[in-house]
Amino acid sequence: EAQVTQNPRYLITVTGKKLTVTCSQNMNHEYMSWYRQDPGLGLRQIYYSMNVEVTDKGDVPEGYKVSRKEKRNFPLILESPSPNQTSLYFCASSLMGSNEQFFGPGTRLTVL
Amino acid sequence: GDSVTQMEGPVTLSEEAFLTINCTYTATGYPSLFWYVQYPGEGLQLLLKATKADDKGSNKGFEATYRKETTSFHLEKGSVQVSDSAVYFCALSDRGAGRRALTFGSGTRLQVQP
Repeated sequence: EAQVTQNPRYLITVTGKKLTVTCSQNMNHEYMSWYRQDPGLGLRQIYYSMNVEVTDKGDVPEGYKVSRKEKRNFPLILESPSPNQTSLYFCASSLMGSNEQFFGPGTRLTVL
Repeated sequence: GDSVTQMEGPVTLSEEAFLTINCTYTATGYPSLFWYVQYPGEGLQLLLKATKADDKGSNKGFEATYRKETTSFHLEKGSVQVSDSAVYFCALSDRGAGRRALTFGSGTRLQVQP
């Protein structure tokens, strides 16, 4: 089944404790992206990647890092999480020739 | 920059009522337009899309027409069901934008009562 998977789905952590949210897709998509969803703001792009070893900032990159060492994986790293990063995070992927993006199920992160 | 404006929710309807959710956009290029739906506890699913002016996207009884003259992409359904209760997001993707980000509206929650 073609899908985007994220882990964990739910995470409660404390300020400053490094964490990684994994994202994997099995559709051989070149393009991958991370969004955060906050009430009243819709989804905003954090980082994106057009292919292996090619990443760039989206609209709200502060406090986040990403890497793209393999085509299928695009982890989101919070080196020192803060409470304002409490949010619902979505990973998405697409073929480079298409602007239709496929979304993962989301990761709800709470930073205390 | 690009932006999408949706009507505030929640929208509460009775089953079989007619649905309209308004969406207007601003974009510098020639965007593709999308409606995504998010059911409770789930990720976003593409509901329908339109890639150029006057295109009509349709799926599962929902329709939206790309109106360049009014910069709008309103979502409609003739007869809603309880199972349509969800949050609906209007979004655009500007083909000229290298990073291919989707720009989302803030979402409209639809509640359909039996």
